[in-house]
Amino acid sequence: ETGVTQSPTHLIKTRGQQVTLRCSSQSGHNTVSWYQQALGQGPQFIFQYYREEENGRGNFPPRFSGLQFPNYSSELNVNALELDDSALYLCASRGGGRTEAFFGQGTRLTVV
Amino acid sequence: QQQVKQSPQSLIVQKGGIPIINCAYENTAFDYFPWYQQFPGKGPALLIAIRPDVSEKKEGRFTISFNKSAKQFSLHIMDSQPGDSATYFCAASKSGSSNTGKLIFGQGTTLQVKP
Repeated sequence: ETGVTQSPTHLIKTRGQQVTLRCSSQSGHNTVSWYQQALGQGPQFIFQYYREEENGRGNFPPRFSGLQFPNYSSELNVNALELDDSALYLCASRGGGRTEAFFGQGTRLTVV
Repeated sequence: QQQVKQSPQSLIVQKGGIPIINCAYENTAFDYFPWYQQFPGKGPALLIAIRPDVSEKKEGRFTISFNKSAKQFSLHIMDSQPGDSATYFCAASKSGSSNTGKLIFGQGTTLQVKP
């Protein structure tokens, strides 16, 4: 167990809807990153939050947005869902100036 | 553009064998190379990581070999067990406040260890 928890575990949404995924980082970790993992692929970096500010973003459109809260938990919001957004969404946290990132169990999003 | 290439895509070994998974990277600015293990329905779990100032690192049955000049690194699993059957991902990142968290992953290798 990494101490990184994500909710919900599974989610089914309709194309065009909006979704919010949540992540609680490991105790003492102030940096949270989000990844999208399509079936049979490696995770793809979406963005990273450090002390409530976005400080790194991958090649994802603006309809992917996020927040980090004072307790370092984080949200990933996706607007105007598309079928290709169906994937496992992973949250990873790190802290203490260390490079090691620890992942949660993920949220499986299905867009129909 | 694929910055980290991983091979093979799948691998089958007998119990006790030594599976080897290889990765190649393009960006010479990468300076952190972790390996993750992922079971179905779970998130990736950090196994072992290496930095380019060493050529080899061992943790338990897992060993990373690193070749900086060739821009390649590999994972060896000694005395493999059926419980090691999982998907393995290599990754790479570079230092810097906004870059450190950005892991670039390979495509993954599905390992099956037969009893």
